[in-house]
Amino acid sequence: AQSVSQHNHHVILSEAASLELGCNYSYGGTVNLFWYVQYPGQHLQLLLKYFSGDPLVKGIKGFEAEFIKSKFSFNLRKPSVQWSDTAEYFCAVSYDYKLSFGAGTTVTVRA
Amino acid sequence: EAQVTQNPRYLITVTGKKLTVTCSQNMNHEYMSWYRQDPGLGLRQIYYSMNVEVTDKGDVPEGYKVSRKEKRNFPLILESPSPNQTSLYFCATAGQGVDNSPLHFGNGTRLTVT
Repeated sequence: AQSVSQHNHHVILSEAASLELGCNYSYGGTVNLFWYVQYPGQHLQLLLKYFSGDPLVKGIKGFEAEFIKSKFSFNLRKPSVQWSDTAEYFCAVSYDYKLSFGAGTTVTVRA
Repeated sequence: EAQVTQNPRYLITVTGKKLTVTCSQNMNHEYMSWYRQDPGLGLRQIYYSMNVEVTDKGDVPEGYKVSRKEKRNFPLILESPSPNQTSLYFCATAGQGVDNSPLHFGNGTRLTVT
């Protein structure tokens, strides 16, 4: 089974700070990559996705992610976080009709 | 409005009492799947279905059954629930399979087995 690793379990930062969440996967073949966000008490929503083309992908709410094939990574970034970005963030990788999720990173933004 | 509807939202039951969690979608999606979410483990896939009458095991299928008799419904069945199946369950659908479509999630079902 493919594995998806998210480097940080819990990140705490202040408003206006920059955010970067790491994600690495284990497959050597062609993959599609996703970041999902889960706000407290809600279901997962798609933040952004990468299928092909420009490895720098822009998503909703000012988030972006960069696919670095040589490093098997798909890190999520936001230059300046807001209190409303407090949520759990999941990296996901699809390969061969299956989708695997990382364990998630809880992000707490302090006002 | 495009929706993935799960019922019930909350369920408390006892060990061994059969239960079914329903999932219904109105987007004509071919792909449907069930995940469980546990702290520190993220989402793990239980079963998925590529189309009507086609189902496959995910990463953690033990103790669960599914059926896909019609396109819009994909119920999750626990024949004999055990406490280790206490979890938050999500149904998710995709238009053309997860290789090229993002998932649409239901609102979740929080199951407690005592």
